[in-house]
Amino acid sequence: GENVEQHPSTLSVQEGDSAVIKCTYSDSASNYFPWYKQELGKRPQLIIDIRSNVGEKKDQRIAVTLNKTAKHFSLHITETQPEDSAVYFCAASLSGSARQLTFGSGTQLTVLP
Amino acid sequence: ETGVTQTPRHLVMGMTNKKSLKCEQHLGHNAMYWYKQSAKKPLELMFVYSLEERVENNSVPSRFSPECPNSSHLFLHLHTLQPEDSALYLCASSQERLAGYEQYFGPGTRLTVT
Repeated sequence: GENVEQHPSTLSVQEGDSAVIKCTYSDSASNYFPWYKQELGKRPQLIIDIRSNVGEKKDQRIAVTLNKTAKHFSLHITETQPEDSAVYFCAASLSGSARQLTFGSGTQLTVLP
Repeated sequence: ETGVTQTPRHLVMGMTNKKSLKCEQHLGHNAMYWYKQSAKKPLELMFVYSLEERVENNSVPSRFSPECPNSSHLFLHLHTLQPEDSALYLCASSQERLAGYEQYFGPGTRLTVT
């Protein structure tokens, strides 16, 4: 089955700096890669996703890049703010269906004021 | 109520107890999921119900038993749990066959097994 590895497990950045979280996946058949944000004591929520026919996707301060050849994808947050502090999870879908999502272990991002 | 709701939000139970977790989705989705979230571990998919088909993770112990009476409700029946089962149990729903693939999570039930 699919295996998703996520790095780093913790990340601290100064407010205004950029943050990058990286994930690798094992199965080249995976074609859907979402990112979820989970604030302390709250539920995970989708913040951005990318499909295998696209190399990059951007939504305001958040961007995701995908390298299918290398089987890795990354989340980029620019101009970080304290409210970006949360745990971020990457995931990969083996068959393109939500039910097949395999999650990474999460990255605790702390934005220091 | 909108979105995905879960009850109870917190549960403390002894190893010999029997309890049930409830999840309800108000989004008209046709797939529902149970996840286990332990500290510093990936979200572990436990069970999936989609279009009345159950997809089960083979590593889930039999002391966890899901029930999906209809597309809006999902239960997780618990019996003779172990302390290592203490975790946050998250329910989620999604619309199968829709391009978005987004899973909507409930707030979770914080389970403590004593």
